[in-house]
Amino acid sequence: GAVVSQHPSWVICKSGTSVKIECRSLDFQATTMFWYRQFPKQSLMLMATSNEGSKATYEQGVEKDKFLINHASLTLSTLTVTSAHPEDSSFYICSAVGGEETQYFGPGTRLLVL
Amino acid sequence: ILNVEQSPQSLHVQEGDSTNFTCSFPSSNFYALHWYRWETAKSPEALFVMTLNGDEKKKGRISATLNTKEGYSYLYIKGSQPEDSATYLCAFRGGSNYKLTFGKGTLLTVNP
Repeated sequence: GAVVSQHPSWVICKSGTSVKIECRSLDFQATTMFWYRQFPKQSLMLMATSNEGSKATYEQGVEKDKFLINHASLTLSTLTVTSAHPEDSSFYICSAVGGEETQYFGPGTRLLVL
Repeated sequence: ILNVEQSPQSLHVQEGDSTNFTCSFPSSNFYALHWYRWETAKSPEALFVMTLNGDEKKKGRISATLNTKEGYSYLYIKGSQPEDSATYLCAFRGGSNYKLTFGKGTLLTVNP
């Protein structure tokens, strides 16, 4: 149980385009989902917290207009990187909680912006 | 900025060896300490959530201890196997809002 999927697993796009990443909890309802980013040799850094049906809470330094988060249902959250630039190239990973302490993670999405 | 440190950064051991690594975290405002095991191209797998000072948890050959007063946790692997090769992450939770602050991880390689 407690499986989280993420799609796509990797994406290459041109600078200026937008990319959408989906995060789904497959066998539980996720009251809260989180989006993290990891740069090479760095730790996972929380970008934002999203609760179903409400606006996401962004961490300091994360542009909310650039990283659009939608949590439309209890099993789906999406992260859209708008007008992506090469510096947005990174590993993006989501996690979900269903009322217990443990955060369950997806496998991540590697984004390369050319 | 919260500081969560893991050591060593990487570790190579032989099959059958026992090993351990450390996670240090702020000793104030502690709520929980999470351990994850992360194999390449897979989702991080939750190992333990530790909340009480002095807590010790065990899952098969893997165990963990917690000292919240001095701000550290140890992860032990007994009789390492090649399938234990992975990055082990710890994450500190300092409040009730689920937010986790991660260390950079310890990369364990177990040679057959």
